[in-house]
Parts: sequence; structure tokens; C-alpha cells
Amino acid sequence: AQTVTQSQPEMSVQEAETVTLSCTYDTSENNYYLFWYKQPPSRQMILVIRQEAYKQQNATENRFSVNFQKAAKSFSLKISDSQLGDTAMYFCAFMKYGAGKSTFGDGTTLTVKP
Amino acid sequence: GAVVSQHPSWVICKSGTSVKIECRSLDFQATTMFWYRQFPKQSLMLMATSNEGSKATYEQGVEKDKFLINHASLTLSTLTVTSAHPEDSSFYICSARNRGQTSYEQYFGPGTRLTVT
Repeated sequence: AQTVTQSQPEMSVQEAETVTLSCTYDTSENNYYLFWYKQPPSRQMILVIRQEAYKQQNATENRFSVNFQKAAKSFSLKISDSQLGDTAMYFCAFMKYGAGKSTFGDGTTLTVKP
Repeated sequence: GAVVSQHPSWVICKSGTSVKIECRSLDFQATTMFWYRQFPKQSLMLMATSNEGSKATYEQGVEKDKFLINHASLTLSTLTVTSAHPEDSSFYICSARNRGQTSYEQYFGPGTRLTVT
């Protein structure tokens, strides 16, 4: 079974600053995907970024980038130029290739302060 | 595209009654849907996998007789909480896989808040 650990229950950052959210996972699988999801107060899950395990290059999506360390089973999210709208709960998630279902971490509540 | 809806968005029911939650894929066919449960400020816990035309697969510890799942068509899955009790109060989220998409695509519904009084 897979486990996903987010060790930071809460974090805060000043607007326009950079923040990094941590995630580690445990799996015996070799082919899998990793995700970061954002859940704002509306509670709608929004996909932020995705990483395929077979790709060495770290994924980036505008202000969001990841640091994927496969050997260390680490998958952190960096948010640059933080905006007030980034305030949300962020979940790291693991999906075994082809499984469709995800295992989620406990989440990190991020507050961006003006 | 790839929109998933849930109905109702919020429901209050009395203890002992049953309540049905619908999950619909609006613009794609979903052979597989997933039902998650989320307590306030906590993680999403997978309850079951719903496959069109077959029985749902429940995660360990989830009572299949209490949480009835039906996936009768390629666009609709339902979760029925039977004989609801206050401890069943939670936020229920469904997600769906598009049969025509790559293996990692998963689209989430907006969730349903269930309050049992």
C-alpha cells in the first residue's frame, strides 16, 4: 500500500514571496504519478501540477513548480510570487499507473498574507 | 470540458433515514468513478470504486451495506447512505475517469455536505 506524508499542517507566506510545501511518499511501485491539488474554501479540488515518475525533469506550471526526487521519494511544491488567491489547503497525491484512484496526504493549509 | 457535478450540494437529514447523492459526468463518459469522504480540514479518504455495470469495490473498513453505490450508466453514479447517523456527517466527493483520456486524468465533483441530525 502507498502512503503519502505532508509534514506541514499549516504554513503562511507573505504576498509575492516564495513558499515550498513538502511531501514524501512510500511505494514499491516504479510507474506512478504524483499530483498537487488545491482545495480552496469552496472545497472544489483543483489540479495544480502533475509529475510522471518516469520523467526526470521537474514539472512546472506558471508560478508552480515541483522538486521531484524519486530515490528519496520526495515531491515538494514551490509557489513563486504568492498571491492571495493561493490561500487554500494543498494536498499531495499518489496514483499508481493505470489505477485511477489516488492516495492523498493529510494536507497543508497555506495562508497568503497581504 | 470534463465537468463533474454532484447533487445535492448540501443535504440535512434525520437520523435513521437514507439519503442519495448523485455524481454525474456532464460532457464525457466515465467508466469508473470514485467516492471519497473528507472530514473538516482532513484528507480525502477513498471509500469505493464504482465501475459502470458492475459491483463497486469498497476499501477496507467501509461498510458496503451502509454506503450503497450504483453506477447504472456511463454518466451517473449514486451513493446512498442508509440509516444515516450523526457520525456519517461529512463531505463526500466523487471523481470520474474519462474513458477516452490518459490513465492519470481524474475529474472531481464539487462535493456534497451531509449533515445528519
